[in-house]
Amino acid sequence: QQQVKQSPQSLIVQKGGISIINCAYENTAFDYFPWYQQFPGKGPALLIAIRPDVSEKKEGRFTISFNKSAKQFSLHIMDSQPGDSATYFCAGSIGAGNMLTFGGGTRLMVKP
Amino acid sequence: SAVISQKPSRDICQRGTSLTIQCQVDSQVTMMFWYRQQPGQSLTLIATANQGSEATYESGFVIDKFPISRPNLTFSTLTVSNMSPEDSSIYLCSVERAGPRGNTIYFGEGSWLTVV
Repeated sequence: QQQVKQSPQSLIVQKGGISIINCAYENTAFDYFPWYQQFPGKGPALLIAIRPDVSEKKEGRFTISFNKSAKQFSLHIMDSQPGDSATYFCAGSIGAGNMLTFGGGTRLMVKP
Repeated sequence: SAVISQKPSRDICQRGTSLTIQCQVDSQVTMMFWYRQQPGQSLTLIATANQGSEATYESGFVIDKFPISRPNLTFSTLTVSNMSPEDSSIYLCSVERAGPRGNTIYFGEGSWLTVV
């Protein structure tokens, strides 16, 4: 049973544009929602994370929007750059240091 | 952050053989996790390995196929037994570590296994 659904599977954005990736979760016990960025040949690296007590969190060009009632959250990448081209995974967990349940991943390509 | 070293980084294995993956962390950690990432797919948790106790396996994964050792707080191994081509995946070690963002899960670079 997939507890975190992620869309789209792939995304092509022009340089300078906004990349938006969406996730929906089922497990209402989740209280920690990170986003990971994975480049080819590398392990996933934490990008940004949010807890459900806030509706938005921004770090540089990356913003998470969180809708607790809809059980949805999204990643916005502003001013997307070719260097942002990677696979992005959303996840949920019960507690920040606990096992993660991942979404299916989104392969982002930013065209110069 | 955490420095997580995995060995081997990449290997080609014969069908029916077993391979042990090592995960070494630069400092002591309580919780270690092993994930599998099949080609082009997401990450799936295999098991949680805590020192001093048996690993806890997720649904669909069994100890006979994926035996895990956790002899101390900085090291763990995952063995993929009796491999078949379906076991071709990236196997990732991850740990929980306190950092500036609070507790965070960090991943190693992964061990890329191809079974032929």
